[in-house]
Amino acid sequence: TQLLEQSPQFLSIQEGENLTVYCNSSSVFSSLQWYRQEPGEGPVLLVTVVTGGEVKKLKRLTFQFGDARKDSSLHITAAQPGDTGLYLCAGAHEEYGNKLVFGAGTILRVKS
Amino acid sequence: NAGVTQTPKFQVLKTGQSMTLQCAQDMNHEYMSWYRQDPGMGLRLIHYSVGAGITDQGEVPNGYNVSRSTTEDFPLRLLSAAPSQTSVYFCASSYSAEGSGNTIYFGEGSWLTVV
Repeated sequence: TQLLEQSPQFLSIQEGENLTVYCNSSSVFSSLQWYRQEPGEGPVLLVTVVTGGEVKKLKRLTFQFGDARKDSSLHITAAQPGDTGLYLCAGAHEEYGNKLVFGAGTILRVKS
Repeated sequence: NAGVTQTPKFQVLKTGQSMTLQCAQDMNHEYMSWYRQDPGMGLRLIHYSVGAGITDQGEVPNGYNVSRSTTEDFPLRLLSAAPSQTSVYFCASSYSAEGSGNTIYFGEGSWLTVV
């Protein structure tokens, strides 16, 4: 069982559509990060959220940290083919010495 | 900027063979770590180091050794390769501990197949 559950596992949408990816846990995290990974490359950090209820925007991407710091969401507006990739959430958890715990990821494909 | 450099990119090993995955960073980061990535399981921490001469185990350390003789280098050794170690391996570095919210930089990955 993953400490961080991501949903959906796969998402295939048309260019221009909106989408939301979820990262859920029953545990509280001191901070949470979102990464994007393209085939053949390592993950690249998109954002870090640390405060319950925090919302951060990165162009067409909106990240939200749940009030209780147990969950997070990534919303993409008007998806583009360049958004295609694997999206990973990762949380810092006190039980793990504040080292990062990763979710299994959401594979996003945006078709033109 | 080189960032985090891993070698080799691809490797095929026979069961029982040993090998070393090399990792170097040029950002003067104190914190370095090794992860493995398997389908449906995300990234799992193998070993990490908070500075030269200091290493510790992560979530899945069995079958792997590490050392940190310099700030720049953090090699991962497979002592006796097993098919269960077939995976993609990522080295990462950051200014300080990963959970502190610092940016973590990942290498491009090393694809290892054990037959």
